[in-house]
Amino acid sequence: QKEVEQNSGPLSVPEGAIASLNCTYSDRGSQSFFWYRQYSGKSPELIMSIYSNGDKEDGRFTAQLNKASQYVSLLIRDSQPSDSATYLCAVNRRGYSTLTFGKGTMLLVSP
Amino acid sequence: DAGVIQSPRHEVTEMGQEVTLRCKPISGHDYLFWYRQTMMRGLELLIYFNNNVPIDDSGMPEDRFSAKMPNASFSTLKIQPSEPRDSAVYFCASSGDRRRGYTFGSGTRLTVV
Repeated sequence: QKEVEQNSGPLSVPEGAIASLNCTYSDRGSQSFFWYRQYSGKSPELIMSIYSNGDKEDGRFTAQLNKASQYVSLLIRDSQPSDSATYLCAVNRRGYSTLTFGKGTMLLVSP
Repeated sequence: DAGVIQSPRHEVTEMGQEVTLRCKPISGHDYLFWYRQTMMRGLELLIYFNNNVPIDDSGMPEDRFSAKMPNASFSTLKIQPSEPRDSAVYFCASSGDRRRGYTFGSGTRLTVV
């Protein structure tokens, strides 16, 4: 079982719709969870972090964490073509200083 | 802050040549990470440093790879000799608090022909 799993996509949504990106992780001891956005040819950029069960909202982005089910999700409301990118889920396991990344989900937002 | 600075941005080299990638972390960050990204394997951790000391190099593929951090503001990743399968994008990232995630540099796209 892979440590951090994401559907590779692409996930295609029309402009203005809600995009839902999902991630599952295998280590129950994981404590910190992050979403990175990576445009083609660019480096990953941190957009959201979440540490406790529940929802965390920041503008059009909402991160959701369910530790019992070992999944974390990212919702993007009012999706824009500029949101088209690959979204990487990253997990920090308890006692470790490093992040383990999923392979990412490509999101395509069509005008 | 200028962010994490990597050089060069692109490197094309012939198989067997030595390649050196450079990184300047964000001032005050005491963690530095080297990752490699390929389509097949995604982002893979190669090695990380804490306060200039290598902590975990288990991700370094083989002895051809080496990394140093002589001071808090500079790190190198060296591949000698390089092979075509080393072609990838190499990212350096730094962090002052692992709970807050990392900041990545712009990466070095390495092509070994």
